Amino acid sequence: EPEVTQTPSHQVTQMGQEVILRCVPISNHLYFYWYRQILGQKVEFLVSFYNNEISEKSEIFDDQFSVERPDGSNFTLKIRSTKLEDSAMYFCASNLMSGGSKTQYFGPGTRLLVL
Amino acid sequence: GESVGLHLPTLSVQEGDNSIINCAYSNSASDYFIWYKQESGKGPQFIIDIRSNMDKRQGQRVTVLLNKTVKHLSLQIAATQPGDSAVYFCAEPRWRTSGSRLTFGEGTQLTVNP
Repeated sequence: EPEVTQTPSHQVTQMGQEVILRCVPISNHLYFYWYRQILGQKVEFLVSFYNNEISEKSEIFDDQFSVERPDGSNFTLKIRSTKLEDSAMYFCASNLMSGGSKTQYFGPGTRLLVL
Repeated sequence: GESVGLHLPTLSVQEGDNSIINCAYSNSASDYFIWYKQESGKGPQFIIDIRSNMDKRQGQRVTVLLNKTVKHLSLQIAATQPGDSAVYFCAEPRWRTSGSRLTFGEGTQLTVNP
């Protein structure tokens, strides 16, 4: 069964450093998303991406964040200058939106720790 | 603002019992709901979804019931097993033509006792 994959599974970085989180969405999906989950809290939407551009972003997704689909398979989230409060699980998700299905499929996540 | 949320933060059941996890929503125009299961340290895993033109949908050992009158949905798990222990979220997609953002509830931690 096709799956969303993410790398790395864990990332530790120093405050102020740049990090890039990588995702490979399900191959025939057209819509891509990033969410984050701070420890003990609910999953929060960051950004959605379709047709090579951001379609929606939340108030969390400020100028420090960017997304890119550099090739036909990868989808990345970059945090330019990490802050302590960026420590969280980051999940990538994708969906196809055919047949009216709005279900998104999630990857296993990247646990980011900013020191 | 609009919200989707769960009634109970925790639920503890005996193995073999049926579990019922509840969720309420505020937007009467909501037309689609998704239940996810999240095990510790993992990503949300799709369980079942339901459109608003349905009252009930069944999957393998799971049933989702939707009551649009009171804006409530529930996830029923039959013959609960230890592997069902996880946090369960209901989620609602807010659809635009270029994608949809999911709004998650707080989650219910289901613990299955052997």
